[in-house]
Amino acid sequence: GQSLEQPSEVTAVEGAIVQINCTYQTSGFYGLSWYQQHDGGAPTFLSYNALDGLEETGRFSSFLSRSDSYGYLLLQELQMKDSASYFCAVRFSGAGSYQLTFGKGTKLSVIP
Amino acid sequence: AAGVIQSPRHLIKEKRETATLKCYPIPRHDTVYWYQQGPGQDPQFLISFYEKMQSDKGSIPDRFSAQQFSDYHSELNMSSLELGDSALYFCASSYGQGASGELFFGEGSRLTVL
Repeated sequence: GQSLEQPSEVTAVEGAIVQINCTYQTSGFYGLSWYQQHDGGAPTFLSYNALDGLEETGRFSSFLSRSDSYGYLLLQELQMKDSASYFCAVRFSGAGSYQLTFGKGTKLSVIP
Repeated sequence: AAGVIQSPRHLIKEKRETATLKCYPIPRHDTVYWYQQGPGQDPQFLISFYEKMQSDKGSIPDRFSAQQFSDYHSELNMSSLELGDSALYFCASSYGQGASGELFFGEGSRLTVL
């Protein structure tokens, strides 16, 4: 089967660094995406890893290890506005390959 | 820059009624997706269209149907509404079937079924 696991909640201090992990199980896989969603808002794309390694975009970085079926999102210099839910999402190869499947989401709370 | 436009933003229906949601993708995007998100839940994939043809089907109830028109806008039709259909419905679009992993989401349509 296909599944994604990520922590349900994370709390971090403003200015700190936080890492949100995501593990997946699948027999086929195109890549791992990360989305941010504020309460009541739309999911917003953050990053995509198709290959192993680190992708950096400003304060956000994302990492993928295909051999370990694992990835993470790293948020640096946390700001209060980073408080939101973060979803990892994958496109699985094979049947249903056009859909993006989301994890359950990690609710990040940034505290002063 | 143009974004994905959804309408209506909010609607309230009674049980057993019907509802239609509309989605206008970003110009030149060839793929449209529909997602349903309940409170505190992750977005659940319903259905997608590529170049006006259904490309993939997820957990869309038989009471729901969708299509993409010649101008690439899409409509999600929901009939015999149930209380459990109350949710945020997102439309998203992409170019090239989302090969880049990036989908552009609209602001959503919030459906409340009473």
